[in-house]
Amino acid sequence: TQLLEQSPQFLSIQEGENLTVYCNSSSVFSSLQWYRQEPGEGPVLLVTVVTGGEVKKLKRLTFQFGDARKDSSLHITAAQPGDTGLYLCAGRSWGPGSSNTGKLIFGQGTTLQVKP
Amino acid sequence: NAGVTQTPKFRILKIGQSMTLQCTQDMNHNYMYWYRQDPGMGLKLIYYSVGAGITDKGEVPNGYNVSRSTTEDFPLRLELAAPSQTSVYFCASSRVPKEGAKNIQYFGAGTRLSVL
Repeated sequence: TQLLEQSPQFLSIQEGENLTVYCNSSSVFSSLQWYRQEPGEGPVLLVTVVTGGEVKKLKRLTFQFGDARKDSSLHITAAQPGDTGLYLCAGRSWGPGSSNTGKLIFGQGTTLQVKP
Repeated sequence: NAGVTQTPKFRILKIGQSMTLQCTQDMNHNYMYWYRQDPGMGLKLIYYSVGAGITDKGEVPNGYNVSRSTTEDFPLRLELAAPSQTSVYFCASSRVPKEGAKNIQYFGAGTRLSVL
């Protein structure tokens, strides 16, 4: 069974601080996604990383896919109250033996609170 | 742009009652998914469908049933509600996933269900 472990589960910081959220697995994923979810809403995709070692930037957010494609990180620079929410990583596998079902394996999420 | 629409938003059931959670999407997506989200547990896949008339079990299908008679609709049925089914349920849809692509899953706003 493929699992994704996110850490930390909860994070409360002051506006302007930097933070990193980790997503780790013992399994290899062909691609990994990061979603952000606000209270009362469904998750919204932030980024998809598909190549080992890939780094993607989205304004103050930097996403990295591990070289071995087993882990990923999300780094936020100078966090703002608007970054508050639940961050979820999700992995997908392709290749022989994996049917093209689109199924994702989700981590348990990291709840981020940024205080003004 | 409606996207993925779920109804109802909230529901309280008594043990043993049944109900159907409705999900409809207007993006002509072939793939649809039902997840449940419990605190600290991320999202778990209940059932998914790769097209009208085709459904399959996810990680946690027990106690649920689905049908997919049209591309747009993917209802989730709870036959004998149990307290363990208290959760937030999300429906999602996507285009046919392709290796190396963004593979965005679009989520509805969720249905919060309590079984007492």
